[in-house]
Amino acid sequence: SQTIHQWPATLVQPVGSPLSLECTVEGTSNPNLYWYRQAAGRGLQLLFYSVGIGQISSEVPQNLSASRPQDRQFILSSKKLLLSDSGFYLCAWSRQEANRIYEQYFGPGTRLTVT
Amino acid sequence: QKEVEQNSGPLSVPEGAIASLNCTYSDRGSQSFFWYRQYSGKSPELIMFIYSNGDKEDGRFTAQLNKASQYVSLLIRDSQPSDSATYLCAASNDYKLSFGAGTTVTVRA
Repeated sequence: SQTIHQWPATLVQPVGSPLSLECTVEGTSNPNLYWYRQAAGRGLQLLFYSVGIGQISSEVPQNLSASRPQDRQFILSSKKLLLSDSGFYLCAWSRQEANRIYEQYFGPGTRLTVT
Repeated sequence: QKEVEQNSGPLSVPEGAIASLNCTYSDRGSQSFFWYRQYSGKSPELIMFIYSNGDKEDGRFTAQLNKASQYVSLLIRDSQPSDSATYLCAASNDYKLSFGAGTTVTVRA
């Protein structure tokens, strides 16, 4: 069965500090990978998605970036955090097939507080 | 216009009743539709997906899809306190899913 991991689970960082969140998927190969952010009481905002190693698409211009160094590893980064970056960061994966959108499965999330 | 809209909550239902959640989407090209449940402080978990017009049942949950009306619904029968959560509707949009803001359901004992 497939498993998705995220770490850390919680993080408190000062404004202007760097950020690195990691997501790994087990039990599948060549998945689509996604990063979402959910602000308090809000819906899910898609930040980045990836269909393969080194292939990253950005949905929202901001001070965040993503990388996919390995097939089942997805990293979210920032050089300088803003207060507005606080939120619940979720990684998700789905099967990949041309012209077909499959269900997405979410990791446990990272709760980030920027102070 | 939001791509996916859900009926505003919160929705309060007595234990044992049917909870009815509604969702409309704007992209006529959407082919796949999903319902997720999110407990407070947790990540969303998939409940059901539906691709074809009509009803799809899974245990106490029934998803209904009407592509002509661009409408998706979720019925929860015999609601239990453990069903108290926020329910997210999602529709496929090109390569991604567009999520609604969610409807919070409270099942009162």
